[in-house]
Amino acid sequence: DAKTTQPPSMDCAEGRAANLPCNHSTISGNEYVYWYRQIHSQGPQYIIHGLKNNETNEMASLIITEDRKSSTLILPHATLRDTAVYYCIVRPRGYGGATNKLIFGTGTLLAVQP
Amino acid sequence: DTAVSQTPKYLVTQMGNDKSIKCEQNLGHDTMYWYKQDSKKFLKIMFSYNNKELIINETVPNRFSPKSPDKAHLNLHINSLELGDSAVYFCASSQLQIAVSSYNSPLHFGNGTRLTVT
Repeated sequence: DAKTTQPPSMDCAEGRAANLPCNHSTISGNEYVYWYRQIHSQGPQYIIHGLKNNETNEMASLIITEDRKSSTLILPHATLRDTAVYYCIVRPRGYGGATNKLIFGTGTLLAVQP
Repeated sequence: DTAVSQTPKYLVTQMGNDKSIKCEQNLGHDTMYWYKQDSKKFLKIMFSYNNKELIINETVPNRFSPKSPDKAHLNLHINSLELGDSAVYFCASSQLQIAVSSYNSPLHFGNGTRLTVT
């Protein structure tokens, strides 16, 4: 079972920042927070991940609360092509078969409006 | 260049048939996976192979048999297809990290094979 909770859907105006929340209140110290998205008819696409520090890359920023029980994915300037289902996933660090699993929840459908 | 490629993209077949889906990755990764996405859009892992060795096998019917001829390929063979097997099947790959303090690399997914069983 997924260890994360996300709102089922969100809207965002094109050009504005999209802030997608995720609750992972049972996260343990050796687990990372990963974000993926799935654009219609495509495979899931990796966006970003983090352990406890905030992270930024060319796609997005990830803000993790100090207690690590929740996080927010920020798309700074959403475009129509960012319309997708966004998945927040908790994944153990380290080597081993069980850690390879990405357990997907139901995600958040982000609809970017023109 | 496609990093993770699956063939065919669409597969329509009748109940009882046997079919295969092929997957290849050119990322040099040592681990490959099969995921199934059902009609309700739930994505669930089925299998994982590391260097041709099975390391994850979820509760999948034994009609499903993965085969990894080398670490760049992971094929999925399905015997005696049933209506409930209709879904989109995604292949993925990643690179395991062996350093104790490291993390496993992100998974890269193919664009899926839509299987329809009639």
